[in-house]
Amino acid sequence: DAKTTQPPSMDCAEGRAANLPCNHSTISGNEYVYWYRQIHSQGPQYIIHGLKNNETNEMASLIITEDRKSSTLILPHATLRDTAVYYCIVRVGGTSGSRLTFGEGTQLTVNP
Amino acid sequence: DTGVSQDPRHKITKRGQNVTFRCDPISEHNRLYWYRQTLGQGPEFLTYFQNEAQLEKSRLLSDRFSAERPKGSFSTLEIQRTEQGDSAMYLCASSSSPDTQYFGPGTRLTVL
Repeated sequence: DAKTTQPPSMDCAEGRAANLPCNHSTISGNEYVYWYRQIHSQGPQYIIHGLKNNETNEMASLIITEDRKSSTLILPHATLRDTAVYYCIVRVGGTSGSRLTFGEGTQLTVNP
Repeated sequence: DTGVSQDPRHKITKRGQNVTFRCDPISEHNRLYWYRQTLGQGPEFLTYFQNEAQLEKSRLLSDRFSAERPKGSFSTLEIQRTEQGDSAMYLCASSSSPDTQYFGPGTRLTVL
């Protein structure tokens, strides 16, 4: 699985958009970008994933650059409950094994 | 609440003792995963079951660790002769597809 690079921490004001970047310059053509988050003392929570097209769901939007070497997770209106560690994971999609390889993630703090 | 439950939530044991953790996945999920997470780090993959078959094991899963999923439903993770280095959060996840894993709240193990 390709390695990812994320900033260790970010701050965001409540109600504003939170834009979390992820670099994955060695991504392969069949690797997807996944985002999970982990709120303190809870298990990780799936957010969104994509291959090359931008994706949106009820939680967030995922913007993947055309060369697929980086992506941005966007939380459009951050709330205090979005304070969490956000993990960007790159791996081959649709395989039977499907372990997730977590890095250290980005600690997002949403401030009132 | 993702629907994945783990028991116990906390376990304190003395070095050298055996411990067993249980995970109950979402009922229709045939895939089950165990991860371990130490403080400040992302979760690390330990092992993966598809139904009752253990298909993948990490090299982190030493001989003292054993996992079972006897009827393809709940799973147990046993650690024999615990060491202080085993202190961590043990997370279970389940899925019906490779793309989205649903994590339980974890079992926090403290080895004294």
